[in-house]
Amino acid sequence: QVQLVQSGAEVKKPGASVKVSCKASGYTFTGYYVHWVRQAPGQGPEWMGWISPNSGGRDYAQKFQGRVTMTRDTSINTAYMELSSLRSDDTAVFYCARGYTIFGSFDFWGQGTLVTVSS
Amino acid sequence: QSVLTQPPSVSAAPGQKVTISCSGSNSNTGNNYVSWYQQIPGTAPKLLIYDNDKRPSGIPDRFSGSKSGTSATLGITGLQTGDEADYYCETWDSSLSGVVFGGGTKLIVL
Repeated sequence: QVQLVQSGAEVKKPGASVKVSCKASGYTFTGYYVHWVRQAPGQGPEWMGWISPNSGGRDYAQKFQGRVTMTRDTSINTAYMELSSLRSDDTAVFYCARGYTIFGSFDFWGQGTLVTVSS
Repeated sequence: QSVLTQPPSVSAAPGQKVTISCSGSNSNTGNNYVSWYQQIPGTAPKLLIYDNDKRPSGIPDRFSGSKSGTSATLGITGLQTGDEADYYCETWDSSLSGVVFGGGTKLIVL
């Protein structure tokens, strides 16, 4: 069965970086895009960008340009999302999600990783 | 402020039907496929509808989707207490070159 398993919760200080992993299993990792979605407490989901595990190509939402880096390691079927220059309003649950295209529609999601930014 | 507009909440009694609207523009809902998600607090969103009106395997036919012009609608019939959740619409926005979500609708089953 398809699974996306994310790394555990993190607590970071303002200005630091965080790197979240997303390990895929149960399907061909290179056959689907991995998208990252952020959800702040009490808010709706917010799309951050995508990476193609096949080509390594990626694109980011304008809001996160310059602060986010998405990478992948096809040898271990894992995608990563690193967010730098963290601020308190970056406190959120970060999800990875599988998409057949870059245009959305995410059929499987990771369990989410809570990132808390606090001094 | 979300690009896609949803009502903050809707409510209905068990067994009844409810609809949730999602209003956008020509750059998003008007010219791109819409998906719908159900999110129970503390869990990840779950895909209910994709390509405006298609249900993934395992989603009961109590859930339906439609689109007309720049508005999309999620319908849920035979409401159950387990349907209480937040519901989000999502689509591609060609002007923003990115995926956008609605602000979410809380479904209350009275």
